[in-house]
Amino acid sequence: RKEVEQDPGPFNVPEGATVAFNCTYSNSASQSFFWYRQDCRKEPKLLMSVYSSGNEDGRFTAQLNRASQYISLLIRDSKLSDSATYLCVVNMGSGYSTLTFGKGTMLLVSP
Amino acid sequence: SQTIHQWPATLVQPVGSPLSLECTVEGTSNPNLYWYRQAAGRGLQLLFYSVGIGQISSEVPQNLSASRPQDRQFILSSKKLLLSDSGFYLCASQTGYGYTFGSGTRLTVV
Repeated sequence: RKEVEQDPGPFNVPEGATVAFNCTYSNSASQSFFWYRQDCRKEPKLLMSVYSSGNEDGRFTAQLNRASQYISLLIRDSKLSDSATYLCVVNMGSGYSTLTFGKGTMLLVSP
Repeated sequence: SQTIHQWPATLVQPVGSPLSLECTVEGTSNPNLYWYRQAAGRGLQLLFYSVGIGQISSEVPQNLSASRPQDRQFILSSKKLLLSDSGFYLCASQTGYGYTFGSGTRLTVV
């Protein structure tokens, strides 16, 4: 089983739509969770951390379900500038702190 | 806040040639540093990480090596490049629980 799995997409949505991505992880001992955004041919950038109680940052809402080992990202009122690849990232909680990245979900927002 | 410098931005190298990619970090001391590779259509693969000067751990046996000669300098090297070494190489520094990435080097081996 892959450590961090995401639907690669692409998700094609019109401006203003609400879109949700899910991600599953294999290690139940994982401790930290993040969503990163990666624009085409650019480095990944931290979008938001994911907290156990769920958290919101403007149009973005992240949720964590430890029992089912999945993480979600909800984007409301999509903008053209939201077009990017969204990477689900998990700290597997081993002795050293390294992050495991999913392959990403591509989002394309059209006018 | 941290700033990570990587260079060059793009590189085209022939098979069998050597490689040296440098990463330097500003705005922090004693960071955990990482080298990742992202091949076309694939996810980020951890290559090396370092928790201090001279301390290197390799995640994937391969044609590459890494060194950390100074606290805020991390170098990725190869003696002889293979076609399969092509990819987007990213240096990262740990910030709290997340990472900050450099702008990356896009390497094409021909």
